[in-house]
Amino acid sequence: DTAVSQTPKYLVTQMGNDKSIKCEQNLGHDTMYWYKQDSKKFLKIMFSYNNKELIINETVPNRFSPKSPDKAHLNLHINSLELGDSAVYFCASSQDLGRVTYNEQFFGPGTRLTVL
Amino acid sequence: DAKTTQPNSMESNEEEPVHLPCNHSTISGTDYIHWYRQLPSQGPEYVIHGLTSNVNNRMASLAIAEDRKSSTLILHRATLRDAAVYYCIPEERGSQGNLIFGKGTKLSVKP
Repeated sequence: DTAVSQTPKYLVTQMGNDKSIKCEQNLGHDTMYWYKQDSKKFLKIMFSYNNKELIINETVPNRFSPKSPDKAHLNLHINSLELGDSAVYFCASSQDLGRVTYNEQFFGPGTRLTVL
Repeated sequence: DAKTTQPNSMESNEEEPVHLPCNHSTISGTDYIHWYRQLPSQGPEYVIHGLTSNVNNRMASLAIAEDRKSSTLILHRATLRDAAVYYCIPEERGSQGNLIFGKGTKLSVKP
């Protein structure tokens, strides 16, 4: 069973479109994250959600919006896609930081987004 | 945030031990030291973490210097599957999961 899954694996779209990437975890974790890995392979955190509340929001354009329908899902919506949004997006999850002494994150397989 | 310095790349022969160094001279006393790795075309995966004492698990060992300004990830017998980018990440307690990935060390394993 896949612990953290993402769909789709590949996404090719035109500039200006709106798209969503879905993420699901079956680990019972309370916190979920979205990371972006650009063409130079730098991996940067974008968002995290803990019990449906946004707790980290780095300098990410407001065209990106995370939405969590329940604790097991954190979807990433992107409006008005731009060329610079092309990257691999990784979802991750971890236990609630209040109950464990370390923060092991489990990552999904990634979604490669290409904006033409 | 503690800054880290890792070699850009390293090579190893299969079945031999590998020592991956990391300098984190600005680490604070309560920062855990995490190691993650990213295999080609996959998401990162947790390898090991420690605070002050050396740590062992089924994947690797982590040797932490007494002053905590450096650590070394040890793969006891490298396999081809260990070829990956290895990231050393000091994490602050209470940082709400803010893992900051640097450039890491790309490990190549030769058969």
